[in-house]
Amino acid sequence: EADIYQTPRYLVIGTGKKITLECSQTMGHDKMYWYQQDPGMELHLIHYSYGVNSTEKGDLSSESTVSRIRTEHFPLTLESARPSHTSQYLCASEQANYGYTFGSGTRLTVV
Amino acid sequence: QKEVEQDPGPLSVPEGAIVSLNCTYSNSAFQYFMWYRQYSRKGPELLMYTYSSGNKEDGRFTAQVDKSSKYISLFIRDSQPSDSATYLCAMSARGNNRLAFGKGNQVVVIP
Repeated sequence: EADIYQTPRYLVIGTGKKITLECSQTMGHDKMYWYQQDPGMELHLIHYSYGVNSTEKGDLSSESTVSRIRTEHFPLTLESARPSHTSQYLCASEQANYGYTFGSGTRLTVV
Repeated sequence: QKEVEQDPGPLSVPEGAIVSLNCTYSNSAFQYFMWYRQYSRKGPELLMYTYSSGNKEDGRFTAQVDKSSKYISLFIRDSQPSDSATYLCAMSARGNNRLAFGKGNQVVVIP
């Protein structure tokens, strides 16, 4: 049973719209991550957080932003969606050195 | 050179065969080694976790780590169609919890 939840699972949205992808975990983990993954392709880290009020950009340049106001919540926002943002977005949390727990992902399509 | 190399080429095997997957890495500080399984349109799930060198067995799955060669392997015995998925290796160093992922290997087990 998943302890990390992502909503929505699927989203189709028009160009220029603002969207927020939600990620919540119930495990009390301090470290959380957002990855972008195109079908059949590798994971790309776009944002991470090591605790409340701590956020960093990842290895892949992204036009998205994140916030971490509560330990359990790590939403990702796109101010103006574009077709190039079409991808799968995966959220993960971690207990130190024991690996990540991933959510089921949000598959975003921007038309 | 990427920190973690994993040949992403798809692998098709008949049911019952042994599946052999491997990754090489360049960072000698890596001490935590993981294998994730990802089904289509799902998030990765932690399959095997190994600390430092050695073997670990869990049912039909065996993970091996050879730190002297900077080489890790995953073996799946008596493969089943339900093992059809993408397998990603991942690793991290002590004190640095960010995982370095391989590109993933797509495995198809043919009934």
